[in-house]
Amino acid sequence: DTAVSQTPKYLVTQMGNDKSIKCEQNLGHDTMYWYKQDSKKFLKIMFSYNNKELIINETVPNRFSPKSPDKAHLNLHINSLELGDSAVYFCASSREGANEKLFFGSGTQLSVL
Amino acid sequence: AQSVTQLGSHVSVSEGALVLLRCNYSSSVPPYLFWYVQYPNQGLQLLLKYTTGATLVKGINGFEAEFKKSETSFHLTKPSAHMSDAAEYFCAVRNTNAGKSTFGDGTTLTVKP
Repeated sequence: DTAVSQTPKYLVTQMGNDKSIKCEQNLGHDTMYWYKQDSKKFLKIMFSYNNKELIINETVPNRFSPKSPDKAHLNLHINSLELGDSAVYFCASSREGANEKLFFGSGTQLSVL
Repeated sequence: AQSVTQLGSHVSVSEGALVLLRCNYSSSVPPYLFWYVQYPNQGLQLLLKYTTGATLVKGINGFEAEFKKSETSFHLTKPSAHMSDAAEYFCAVRNTNAGKSTFGDGTTLTVKP
């Protein structure tokens, strides 16, 4: 069983479209995250949820909207996709506590044409 | 506030040689420090972490890191590189009172035969 799974693995779409990426974790963790990794491999946090509540919202365009239906799921919806949104998006989860490690999904490669 | 600087975006070593990947951090409160590894087309996975206690931390695959508060450093080492160590390595810091992990820009490790 994959601990943190995200779908789809690849997403190719046109500018202006709306798309969603889904993430599920079966580790029983309370906290989930979305990270964006650009073409230079730089990794930046976008959002963090704890028990379905948004606790971190970095400077991300409001075209990006996370949704957590329950603490095992954190989905990312993106409206009006732009070329600059092309990146790898990683979902992660952890137990509560700053000393806890992150468990990452295998990523979603988003390509906006 | 917290930040991480990884010195050297690319490091190349010969198989069997010492691996040294540098990480310096900045944190206004005692930090928790992590090293993650990312293999091609995969998510990040934890190599090791420092929380409290012993400053020399041992991780998986023969890696270790030493927390030096006076130098604000957490360099990653491995005595003898293996071809399978070729990957992207990320240092991360998390404050005791912060909800997010801040990642360095990553270091690409190449291992030559």
